[in-house]
Amino acid sequence: AQSVTQLDSQVPVFEEAPVELRCNYSSSVSVYLFWYVQYPNQGLQLLLKYLSGSTLVESINGFEAEFNKSQTSFHLRKPSVHISDTAEYFCAVTRRDNNNDMRFGAGTRLTVKP
Amino acid sequence: EAGVAQSPRYKIIEKRQSVAFWCNPISGHATLYWYQQILGQGPKLLIQFQNNGVVDDSQLPKDRFSAERLKGVDSTLKIQPAKLEDSAVYLCASSSGWGTDTQYFGPGTRLTVL
Repeated sequence: AQSVTQLDSQVPVFEEAPVELRCNYSSSVSVYLFWYVQYPNQGLQLLLKYLSGSTLVESINGFEAEFNKSQTSFHLRKPSVHISDTAEYFCAVTRRDNNNDMRFGAGTRLTVKP
Repeated sequence: EAGVAQSPRYKIIEKRQSVAFWCNPISGHATLYWYQQILGQGPKLLIQFQNNGVVDDSQLPKDRFSAERLKGVDSTLKIQPAKLEDSAVYLCASSSGWGTDTQYFGPGTRLTVL
């Protein structure tokens, strides 16, 4: 079965600094990849997803992630973070041949300090 | 548009007791998911419904967990009897289609088993 490893459980950064949240996946077949975000006291929300085409995908709030097949990675980046980006971020993967079973990573807690 | 509703938000029970959770998906969404999120881990899919039929329940501990989705709308998840290791947040999500369609998550029910 497919699986996801999020390499950092917590990432503290200062406001306006760049950030990278790392995600590696494992699968014997081709995959779809997702990033979800959970703001404090809210439910999970889809941030962005890679299905096909350009390996660089962007969200509306300045985050981007790049699918790297050779390194089996889908790292999330933002060049300049805001206090409001403080949240838990989850990377997730499904198989292309059976995309009903979404597997999530353990999450990375991003804390943005003033 | 109203989001996914779940109740109760919190529940504390003794081990061996029974408990039920309720989910009301976004209106018109055909697919409904139940996830279990143990502290420090990512969500794990328990069961997926397409309308009122089960698509995937391979990770549902069927000796104690059951779920139904009457009339293809609301859903209930039941645990009987509960064990200490069932302490977790139970998340409900819905999507208009299935597979790679965006899943919309509810706020979750936090269950504590004493």
